Amino acid sequence: AQSVTQLDSHVSVSEGTPVLLRCNYSSSYSPSLFWYVQHPNKGLQLLLKYTSAATLVKGINGFEAEFKKSETSFHLTKPSAHMSDAAEYFCVVINTNAGKSTFGDGTTLTVKP
Amino acid sequence: EPEVTQTPSHQVTQMGQEVILRCVPISNHLYFYWYRQILGQKVEFLVSFYNNEISEKSEIFDDQFSVERPDGSNFTLKIRSTKLEDSAMYFCASSWDRGNTGELFFGEGSRLTVL
Repeated sequence: AQSVTQLDSHVSVSEGTPVLLRCNYSSSYSPSLFWYVQHPNKGLQLLLKYTSAATLVKGINGFEAEFKKSETSFHLTKPSAHMSDAAEYFCVVINTNAGKSTFGDGTTLTVKP
Repeated sequence: EPEVTQTPSHQVTQMGQEVILRCVPISNHLYFYWYRQILGQKVEFLVSFYNNEISEKSEIFDDQFSVERPDGSNFTLKIRSTKLEDSAMYFCASSWDRGNTGELFFGEGSRLTVL
């Protein structure tokens, strides 16, 4: 069994300030973890992924995430928010044995000027 | 850059009608998926498909749903008799493996509106 909990349904930051989107997971297996972003009326775009290599993962657009097994967390961060970062963000866990993926409920990021 | 393409981008149908949503996955990928996102809600896994058969399906994927890879390039989702609650955005995705090192590549979605 696996599950994903995104701890904040909405996050609002000012442009130029740090972003933190929180994700906790549970999995019976060693999971692969992903963050996807969805801009309005668009498909899902991969931001970054963790697949048992380095625990600090760097993605596109300045985002990064750290896999912490002891805390079962995979929080997404960015040092300085940009207006174009406003979107819906999904944390995803994939059971690599079964190929089954579970999405978190999503976090809506708002960036204020 | 290779991409997953979906058609139609938007379909409006009457309740009880059959709908087929089409997807062209990335050509060297082996695993194919359908997801659903009801407006304002989370993305939900429907089904995964590998080697011409369903490998995993969720409880949402009941007998009114079916998937097919008819010609080696297209991957279709059929809804036999649509209900109002089937109105959603449907995303197709593909990957070359089960997620060990690869990733899911998503199409831009097909919006289904059932009246």
